[in-house]
Amino acid sequence: YVLTQPPSVSMAPGETARITCAGPNIGSKSVHWYQQKPGQAPDLIIFFDSSRPTGIPERFSGSNSGNTATLTIIRVEAGDEADYYCQVWDGSSDQVVFGGGTRLTVL
Amino acid sequence: QVHLVQSGAEVKKPGASVKVSCKASGYTFSNYGVGWLRQAPGQGLEWMGWLSSNSGNAHYPRNLQGRVTMSTDKSSNTAYMELRSLRSDDTAVYYCARVFGDYELIYFDFWGQGTLVTVSS
Repeated sequence: YVLTQPPSVSMAPGETARITCAGPNIGSKSVHWYQQKPGQAPDLIIFFDSSRPTGIPERFSGSNSGNTATLTIIRVEAGDEADYYCQVWDGSSDQVVFGGGTRLTVL
Repeated sequence: QVHLVQSGAEVKKPGASVKVSCKASGYTFSNYGVGWLRQAPGQGLEWMGWLSSNSGNAHYPRNLQGRVTMSTDKSSNTAYMELRSLRSDDTAVYYCARVFGDYELIYFDFWGQGTLVTVSS
């Protein structure tokens, strides 16, 4: 099971960033998103498609339908510059699968 | 608060083994599984397996089966990951993470700081 993410997304501060994660019938799976800033461990930012852990700003939201899951970041800030990864469980292979990651650059 | 503290960086020769530890605090260790992931230089995240708290069973991806063993010591709230027959492409930062859920519900809600393992002759 392959999850496809765009390698990079560039946004100006204040704009809305949408990072996609495509996979066959991903809408039937639970999708989780992680943010990884340079030199740091990943942080969970969205779980079960659209839930936010405590402490994650409301600017971050998630959706999942059909063949695409989407992480949306509104009012992008310089501090959002990071790599973002989506993750699912693939029951057919009994494996955790990550997308290749998307680097968000804030111009 | 939840903390996962990993052991320090390692340098190993090809063919050797490495064992990384991950000490947990701030939660009931036996109530959650522990997962291990790695990230090669400049690359994305790769899942290496997890140890379920419910069943006590370990689950490994096919490409690592036979080379990796995960274990826990509940008396010290510490998890371990041992990787054998190291190759140069095992050079990576290795992460432990607390696991929430099992199988189709699984995700990783807290992560250790990472341990750099370098494999070089």
